Amino acid sequence: GESVGLHLPTLSVQEGDNSIINCAYSNSASDYFIWYKQESGKGPQFIIDIRSNMDKRQGQRVTVLLNKTVKHLSLQIAATQPGDSAVYFCAEKDTGNQFYFGTGTSLTVIP
Amino acid sequence: DAMVIQNPRYQVTQFGKPVTLSCSQTLNHNVMYWYQQKSSQAPKLLFHYYDKDFNNEADTPDNFQSRRPNTSFCFLDIRSPGLGDAAMYLCATSRVGGNTEAFFGQGTRLTVV
Repeated sequence: GESVGLHLPTLSVQEGDNSIINCAYSNSASDYFIWYKQESGKGPQFIIDIRSNMDKRQGQRVTVLLNKTVKHLSLQIAATQPGDSAVYFCAEKDTGNQFYFGTGTSLTVIP
Repeated sequence: DAMVIQNPRYQVTQFGKPVTLSCSQTLNHNVMYWYQQKSSQAPKLLFHYYDKDFNNEADTPDNFQSRRPNTSFCFLDIRSPGLGDAAMYLCATSRVGGNTEAFFGQGTRLTVV
């Protein structure tokens, strides 16, 4: 499968600060990207997605940025809260139906 | 409103004893996936079904098999579990094509003793 990797395995932020989680992907043909949040003992939960014809998409407190030139994806969480503590994965969908996941970043929010 | 349901949540099996994990969905999605997730690692795709068409990942061991008797149900069979197969197994579904996410179940935690 394609290689989708993250730069930072762990991230600690103070409550109220903004968080930025990064991801690099290798398949330039991938056209759809998703950020998932996974809490301990649970399945991944959809946060936000972005198509390859976009470079930015905003949700509630979250923003995803896509830079196709350098094949880089980031997730920005505004005003991080303790409930945001989890592992975050980026995933890419290839030209078929497969979703491939990156390494993951463990986010810890310090009260 | 559970949409992708995995049973059981926790499964203990003996080394070498066949075990089956179950997944059902209420979303009527064409595609169903099985992922293996080991501790502190990303989910790893084992295989997926597009309707009844089975698609195996190249590096999935033969020890792992799957069945999809109908749209709603999909099973993961581990023929001879080894200690290294202890993991969380995640089932997911999605619609075909387009830009639509995969919906995940809560997973089954498999322990091999």
